Amino acid sequence: ILNVEQSPQSLHVQEGDSTNFTCSFPSSNFYALHWYRWETAKSPEALFVMTLNGDEKKKGRISATLNTKEGYSYLYIKGSQPEDSATYLCASYGNKLVFGAGTILRVKS
Amino acid sequence: DTAVSQTPKYLVTQMGNDKSIKCEQNLGHDTMYWYKQDSKKFLKIMFSYNNKELIINETVPNRFSPKSPDKAHLNLHINSLELGDSAVYFCASSPGLMTYEQYFGPGTRLTVT
Repeated sequence: ILNVEQSPQSLHVQEGDSTNFTCSFPSSNFYALHWYRWETAKSPEALFVMTLNGDEKKKGRISATLNTKEGYSYLYIKGSQPEDSATYLCASYGNKLVFGAGTILRVKS
Repeated sequence: DTAVSQTPKYLVTQMGNDKSIKCEQNLGHDTMYWYKQDSKKFLKIMFSYNNKELIINETVPNRFSPKSPDKAHLNLHINSLELGDSAVYFCASSPGLMTYEQYFGPGTRLTVT
């Protein structure tokens, strides 16, 4: 993998559903993986920065895991709420800092 | 208190003009960045300064020149503006280099006519 790729591109879920997205990144020369939450008309807001293989971080209902050997990270949201609606960006820092295109999450009440 | 501020928020100008965007952070961070959000909504890093020293300088036209008068400020000057420079420019700061979370400013929407 040469670029940072996120899937799915967009996701529509019902309130209360749990969901997850994937970020794939180059596994060579890896330093850190960032997750950001970006609401419409606002700025990206940091969720997590992870550096170690097997790392798992949690903030409220949101958690993330990291596999540096195979080059992927998962972001999980448990019991989605309408206020979770946003674009979720990941960024990989290896030789350079590269952002993915994001996953757009829409939570319907 | 705004942690990372940018001015102006909107900038409309004509091709060929020179303009500056200012960024200030009051978080005491050592590292500051400039990003461009392109037409496909991708965020691309342009520059990064650590303790007023340029450490990242991506493939950006020479018309773009960052200046860091002190650790709290990182300004972006753009010469001879072109239509393709129209974008949203974000400033960000972090306590250190890339393994720290970044705090983003509100963005400056630049429109070149």
